[in-house]
Amino acid sequence: EVQLLESGGGLVQPGGSLRLSCAASGFIFSTYDMTWVRQAPGKGLEWVSSISGSAGSTNYADSVKGRFTMSRDNSKNTLYLQMNSLRAEDAALYYCAKLDGSALAWGQGTLVTVSS
Amino acid sequence: QSVLAQPPSVSGAPGQRVTISCAGSSSNIGTGYDVHWYQQLPRTAPKLLIYANTIRPSGVPDRFSGSKSGTSASLAITGLQAEDEADYYCQSYDGSLSVVFGGGTKLTVL
Repeated sequence: EVQLLESGGGLVQPGGSLRLSCAASGFIFSTYDMTWVRQAPGKGLEWVSSISGSAGSTNYADSVKGRFTMSRDNSKNTLYLQMNSLRAEDAALYYCAKLDGSALAWGQGTLVTVSS
Repeated sequence: QSVLAQPPSVSGAPGQRVTISCAGSSSNIGTGYDVHWYQQLPRTAPKLLIYANTIRPSGVPDRFSGSKSGTSASLAITGLQAEDEADYYCQSYDGSLSVVFGGGTKLTVL
């Protein structure tokens, strides 16, 4: 069974940084693209970034490009999202998701609050 | 503004059939990328309802079905039940490593 467990969320001041992690299990992690999706309170799902299985390629939404960096450690089956220069509009529940292949899966999310 | 267009809300009485549309373009659904559908109950993570346009994961009732044609897709729910009241999202791709979502549709069971 595919399992994804996010961590690292919390309260951060505007302009601050935070690193999210996602521990994956139940599948051959290195062979699948992975994705971060966020959901602001009362809003819809928003794609944030995706990374290839080999970590050779990444792609970002325009809203986070230049501020967020997605990476992965295939030896640890772990996904990361380094978030810098955080803004109030980045406050959301961040989900790690496997949207590649047939066994699609989402984690339970980790909450990021941006406030002074 | 979401890349995929969904109606903000739909409603139906118990036992009725409702459909939720998901309109894309030639750069995403029309290219042949799969469409997936999710159900999200309040304060929970999205739950996969339909993947690869028409396939129901194990455990999803056959009251839920998906279809795709051209640049659009649809989710149909038959025999509407009170527990179906939730937000529904469609998701596809807009190129390599590019994921797109619909804005979500709130289903109200009257």
